Amino acid sequence: GAVVSQHPSWVICKSGTSVKIECRSLDFQATTMFWYRQFPKQSLMLMATSNEGSKATYEQGVEKDKFLINHASLTLSTLTVTSAHPEDSSFYICSASHPGAMNTEAFFGQGTRLTVV
Amino acid sequence: GDSVTQMEGPVTLSEEAFLTINCTYTATGYPSLFWYVQYPGEGLQLLLKATKADDKGSNKGFEATYRKETTSFHLEKGSVQVSDSAVYFCALSGTGNTPLVFGKGTRLSVIA
Repeated sequence: GAVVSQHPSWVICKSGTSVKIECRSLDFQATTMFWYRQFPKQSLMLMATSNEGSKATYEQGVEKDKFLINHASLTLSTLTVTSAHPEDSSFYICSASHPGAMNTEAFFGQGTRLTVV
Repeated sequence: GDSVTQMEGPVTLSEEAFLTINCTYTATGYPSLFWYVQYPGEGLQLLLKATKADDKGSNKGFEATYRKETTSFHLEKGSVQVSDSAVYFCALSGTGNTPLVFGKGTRLSVIA
């Protein structure tokens, strides 16, 4: 199957700083990637759809200015948590699917555990 | 809109017990159906899939059959192991540009 790599696996940062998380499709080009947030013992919450070369589409209730998404190439999307606060601590996961394929599965990154202290 | 409902956990089983995790869906069109597994601290891995009615997906001893008449895709395993302890997500497909629709996940704990 296809491989999606997410980096870093975990990060600890101080309140007020920004953190960037990278999501790469290693063996296919992904025009669209998805960013999820997962709270402990809960399901995935879709945050936004990252579109290569255009603005991301955010889900209702997700702050665009706090969670900056950039999809500058066909293999890389980044999520930047700006001015992080302890309540932003969570597990963030990205996914991508083969572009244009119907009814296709998604491939997930390993996830990033963010802890804001 | 499309939705997935799966049984709520947690589910606790003894080793070698039979596992069933129920999943039903609501969808327009003809989606593909998936089971993903998430081990602690990791992302999601595709466990198995089925792309059309009556297809059976299978992997690592797990099976699920795409039942259009009951709109179900129940996950089964005949004999679970401690290493199967994880969270299992049922999902249905979009196209390459739309996200999967996930159930809420079912946490499975297998004890020796």
